[in-house]
Amino acid sequence: EAQVTQNPRYLITVTGKKLTVTCSQNMNHEYMSWYRQDPGLGLRQIYYSMNVEVTDKGDVPEGYKVSRKEKRNFPLILESPSPNQTSLYFCASSLGLGEISYEQYFGPGTRLTVT
Amino acid sequence: SQQGEEDPQALSIQEGENATMNCSYKTSINNLQWYRQNSGRGLVHLILIRSNEREKHSGRLRVTLDTSKKSSSLLITASRAADTASYFCATDAKKSGYSTLTFGKGTMLLVSP
Repeated sequence: EAQVTQNPRYLITVTGKKLTVTCSQNMNHEYMSWYRQDPGLGLRQIYYSMNVEVTDKGDVPEGYKVSRKEKRNFPLILESPSPNQTSLYFCASSLGLGEISYEQYFGPGTRLTVT
Repeated sequence: SQQGEEDPQALSIQEGENATMNCSYKTSINNLQWYRQNSGRGLVHLILIRSNEREKHSGRLRVTLDTSKKSSSLLITASRAADTASYFCATDAKKSGYSTLTFGKGTMLLVSP
């Protein structure tokens, strides 16, 4: 089954404790992206990756890191989480964007609480 | 920055009625996409309309795009209670040399039986 998986689905952690949210897709998609969703603010893009080893900042990259060492995985790293990073996080993947653009497939979301 | 902005923020209708949601954006786009989200879950793609298209249909969904006004609309006909969800428009546009997809804040649709 074609899907995007995220782990963990729920996480409660404390300020400053490094964490990684994993994202994996089995559709051989080149484009992957991370979003955060907050009430009243909609989805905001954190980072995206056009292909292996190609990543770029989205609208709200501060406090986050990503890596794309292989096509299927795109982990989101919070080196020193803070309470303002409490949010619902979504990973998404797509064959690509641009003049020939394709739909994005979303993971189920990771609800992160930083105390 | 938010590219697409949906209107209204919330919409409440009865089953069988039509629901119309609008999306406005600011810059040139490659295409515009509509997504649906059931409470707290991942977004699901509904329809993609390219910048050279004016209208597109998919089942009970009808999407229009007016690039001169930088706006799009999503019409759901003969709505059902199961259509209750949040709906987001997303614009595919070039930024810093790469294309990215930027989402609006969404329209929350409530369809009452």
